[in-house]
Amino acid sequence: GESVGLHLPTLSVQEGDNSIINCAYSNSASDYFIWYKQESGKGPQFIIDIRSNMDKRQGQRVTVLLNKTVKHLSLQIAATQPGDSAVYFCAEIYNTDKLIFGTGTRLQVFP
Amino acid sequence: DGGITQSPKYLFRKEGQNVTLSCEQNLNHDAMYWYRQDPGQGLRLIYYSQIVNDFQKGDIAEGYSVSREKKESFPLTVTSAQKNPTAFYLCASQRRGGELFFGEGSRLTVL
Repeated sequence: GESVGLHLPTLSVQEGDNSIINCAYSNSASDYFIWYKQESGKGPQFIIDIRSNMDKRQGQRVTVLLNKTVKHLSLQIAATQPGDSAVYFCAEIYNTDKLIFGTGTRLQVFP
Repeated sequence: DGGITQSPKYLFRKEGQNVTLSCEQNLNHDAMYWYRQDPGQGLRLIYYSQIVNDFQKGDIAEGYSVSREKKESFPLTVTSAQKNPTAFYLCASQRRGGELFFGEGSRLTVL
């Protein structure tokens, strides 16, 4: 039968604070990384990506950090807003088209 | 507008019935994917196709079938052999080496 998945870890932050969501990736050969945001009942949406030749990339209110030494990826959200409440997934790609998703983290923003 | 479209958004099925979920993309992407998501959990890969007339099983293919007769279309059939089909199903397409674009999902409920 199917394996039972793990329930998502939850990060709770106060509105206006900065959020840091972490992800450990599995393959040292992965060369492209993506963060997705999934709101309740909707499909995941692309937030930001980073290639393995970089260690930091910034977008609007979001920053992705890549530490290849320990195979760690993080997403930083500045001045977290209620609209940021969602599930966040990291994904790694290797060999151009082999994609692996992380388990996801639920972000809850309190007023 | 370019994008990926899933239908229906909600679907109810009696036990023992097969149902087919539609996924269409006009992004000219070669690769397409089907994921299953259970409440509070991450994404699990059902099937994927990297080119027309070819597809591979993912991690939880049992009880599902797909076809890829056209580049734009990748329908998923949930068969009566799938023991626990109630879930949220997500289709995605991908340009080579790039990020996945997701549809808005189809929620299947078995009565």
